[in-house]
Amino acid sequence: GEDVEQSLFLSVREGDSSVINCTYTDSSSTYLYWYKQEPGAGLQLLTYIFSNMDMKQDQRLTVLLNKKDKHLSLRIADTQTGDSAIYFCAQGLTGGGNKLTFGTGTQLKVEL
Amino acid sequence: EAGVAQSPRYKIIEKRQSVAFWCNPISGHATLYWYQQILGQGPKLLIQFQNNGVVDDSQLPKDRFSAERLKGVDSTLKIQPAKLEDSAVYLCASSFNFLNTEAFFGQGTRLTVV
Repeated sequence: GEDVEQSLFLSVREGDSSVINCTYTDSSSTYLYWYKQEPGAGLQLLTYIFSNMDMKQDQRLTVLLNKKDKHLSLRIADTQTGDSAIYFCAQGLTGGGNKLTFGTGTQLKVEL
Repeated sequence: EAGVAQSPRYKIIEKRQSVAFWCNPISGHATLYWYQQILGQGPKLLIQFQNNGVVDDSQLPKDRFSAERLKGVDSTLKIQPAKLEDSAVYLCASSFNFLNTEAFFGQGTRLTVV
């Protein structure tokens, strides 16, 4: 199967770190992505990681990939109210061009 | 650089009616995708074009959905006839080519079928 699973909801306080988790099933995925979706807006690519990497850091974002467990996480440092959104994990399938299989999304709520 | 443009933003139709959505990808992008996002779910790929050819339409309900990209630029997605379960946001995305890692998404068209 090509399922991607995420927890539905995460609430954090402003200034804390947020960790959003994702598990996927297709071990042949070439790339794994994190997208952000704000209300009424399209999807915005935050970051992606190639499957032969364990970690990628980009400013406040850290992506960790455990390929053995098929587990991907996104850590947002110093979370701000502007980070409140739905975050989608997605896998790019080998041989499938750039078509993506998305998870159900995690709604992040940042409280003051 | 202009983003992916979609129209209309919102559409309400009755079941069994027809509807069409339009997408203009980023200039120079050869690959175009249509995704369906049902409320509370992640987007699901409906169809992928490379220039004016269909690369993958395995998840497109072909009895009622059709899509075309005749000149390899703009694309239209049509539903005929619509069902209640077609209520969703229809997202168009484009990438430079099918090997490119980043796809850029439009704001989507929210369809409500009543």
